[in-house]
Amino acid sequence: DVKVTQSSRYLVKRTGEKVFLECVQDMDHENMFWYRQDPGLGLRLIYFSYDVKMKEKGDIPEGYSVSREKKERFSLILESASTNQTSMYLCASRGQSYNEQFFGPGTRLTVL
Amino acid sequence: KQEVTQIPAALSVPEGENLVLNCSFTDSAIYNLQWFRQDPGKGLTSLLLIQSSQREQTSGRLNASLDKSSGRSTLYIAASQPGDSATYLCAAYRTGSARQLTFGSGTQLTVLP
Repeated sequence: DVKVTQSSRYLVKRTGEKVFLECVQDMDHENMFWYRQDPGLGLRLIYFSYDVKMKEKGDIPEGYSVSREKKERFSLILESASTNQTSMYLCASRGQSYNEQFFGPGTRLTVL
Repeated sequence: KQEVTQIPAALSVPEGENLVLNCSFTDSAIYNLQWFRQDPGKGLTSLLLIQSSQREQTSGRLNASLDKSSGRSTLYIAASQPGDSATYLCAAYRTGSARQLTFGSGTQLTVLP
């Protein structure tokens, strides 16, 4: 079975802190994604990566950056956390372009 | 631009009932369509992936169909159980993009014992 893991299930940070969210997949997938999910707004794509060191902006990249130094790992970075970044963050991975997409368990981030 | 709509937003049924969840998409030049389940506070679990060349896909009590010409997909759940209570989301590949899925807002299903 494909496994996508995220470093934390719950995280509480203070405004202005730098926050790292990590995602690891074990199926040698080329594509990895970071989404945030908010009530009434659904799933929104922040960034995605289609290869090591390659990244593309999604719909809402402002305030975020990403890093993919190894194929299995995709990190989301909040350079200076703000309260409006309080959300559920979901990582996903997928093999070839039109294959099945798999999600991690999510990280509930609260910024105080 | 691909848009995905799921109606109704919420559905409540008694246990044992067969039910259908609906998903509509605007761009019929669809590649694949995927159905997910999400439990409260959890990530999304993949249920079924329908290839563009397929008309339906089955897994256990679940059957998903795809009609590209009408821009619709349905998820049929047979003999519903309280454990089926969750939010069900469909997602289709974005127009012109081989990498990005467009998600519907989901249907929140409650199966009453």
